[in-house]
Amino acid sequence: GDSVTQMEGPVTLSEEAFLTINCTYTATGYPSLFWYVQYPGEGLQLLLKATKADDKGSNKGFEATYRKETTSFHLEKGSVQVSDSAVYFCALSDRMGNSGGSNYKLTFGKGTLLTVNP
Amino acid sequence: EAQVTQNPRYLITVTGKKLTVTCSQNMNHEYMSWYRQDPGLGLRQIYYSMNVEVTDKGDVPEGYKVSRKEKRNFPLILESPSPNQTSLYFCASSINRGYEQYFGPGTRLTVT
Repeated sequence: GDSVTQMEGPVTLSEEAFLTINCTYTATGYPSLFWYVQYPGEGLQLLLKATKADDKGSNKGFEATYRKETTSFHLEKGSVQVSDSAVYFCALSDRMGNSGGSNYKLTFGKGTLLTVNP
Repeated sequence: EAQVTQNPRYLITVTGKKLTVTCSQNMNHEYMSWYRQDPGLGLRQIYYSMNVEVTDKGDVPEGYKVSRKEKRNFPLILESPSPNQTSLYFCASSINRGYEQYFGPGTRLTVT
């Protein structure tokens, strides 16, 4: 079945540091890939997405490129801020469905806690 | 404002006392889903619905029921809650299957 593996946290950085959170996936079809962010006490918010190979998703200074050859979708930001402190989830939605069915559920990684210190 | 709302946000209950968590979206989305979030396990899908009167099981459906009588509402029902259903629950919706999903704020449920 589909799966997502992302780097375990927690990750602690100083303000203005470079951020990379690794994400790799396994999928049977042609997945769309997402990064979601969960701020403390809140629900998940879509951060960025990519729907096909070589697409780059970007938002709020974050970027991730859909790499089919390495089945990866690593999240990067050049200069993090204290306000970026949150849990980040990599996820996929397989266009072909799961096990021959029609459910396009999101399959999530376990999340990476990022703390940015001033 | 486009949003997914859930109620209640927090709930403490006792084993066996039936409860319903409501979910509503105002975006005319066809696809809706329930997830639970547990430490170390991430988010797992409980049930989903592709349209009115069309629902199906996700990965962890045991102990839960859902209904989809109207497009905007997708309540989660626990007929006889047990302590292992203590969790953080999220409702989500998307315009259609395969598209990005928008999440509600979450319901933290404690079953004693």
